[in-house]
Amino acid sequence: TQLLEQSPQFLSIQEGENLTVYCNSSSVFSSLQWYRQEPGEGPVLLVTVVTGGEVKKLKRLTFQFGDARKDSSLHITAAQPGDTGLYLCAGGDNALNFGKGTSLLVTP
Amino acid sequence: NAGVTQTPKFQVLKTGQSMTLQCAQDMNHEYMSWYRQDPGMGLRLIHYSVGAGITDQGEVPNGYNVSRSTTEDFPLRLLSAAPSQTSVYFCASSTGGLSGDTQYFGPGTRLTVL
Repeated sequence: TQLLEQSPQFLSIQEGENLTVYCNSSSVFSSLQWYRQEPGEGPVLLVTVVTGGEVKKLKRLTFQFGDARKDSSLHITAAQPGDTGLYLCAGGDNALNFGKGTSLLVTP
Repeated sequence: NAGVTQTPKFQVLKTGQSMTLQCAQDMNHEYMSWYRQDPGMGLRLIHYSVGAGITDQGEVPNGYNVSRSTTEDFPLRLLSAAPSQTSVYFCASSTGGLSGDTQYFGPGTRLTVL
């Protein structure tokens, strides 16, 4: 099993702050995905990164895939209460493995 | 399209009881999978299927059975429920099982075993 470690586990910030969450592994991945999960719902895909060093932007969210394709980061600029949720990274060759997630709370 | 549907949404069982969690998708996806989500443990893969008639074990398969008789349906069976199986169960489908393919998740079934 290709393990994915996410940090921090919990993050509580105020609206307007910036934040970065991390997804690290000792394994090389062909691609990594980021999902967001809201309470009572299933995860929803935000982005897939495929190329080492790749940077993808989704409005205020910036995703980066490490050069060695072993890690990824998610940076949120000017966080809003609507960004609150559980952020999960996932990857794997034959079956998708998930990290334990970062639980983000953005307060007004 | 309804996407991925799961029933029931909530279930309470007594230890030793059996039940089937239903999962259906209307996107004609070949790949389907079952995950359980526990506090602090993230999502763990139970079983998956790459097409009708083909299933395989994931990270935590013990205590669960699956079958895939049609492309649309992928039920998860608990033969003798145990308190350790108290969890939220998610079914997902995708066009392929490899990373890079979007997984579409159902809304989940919250199971409590007393």
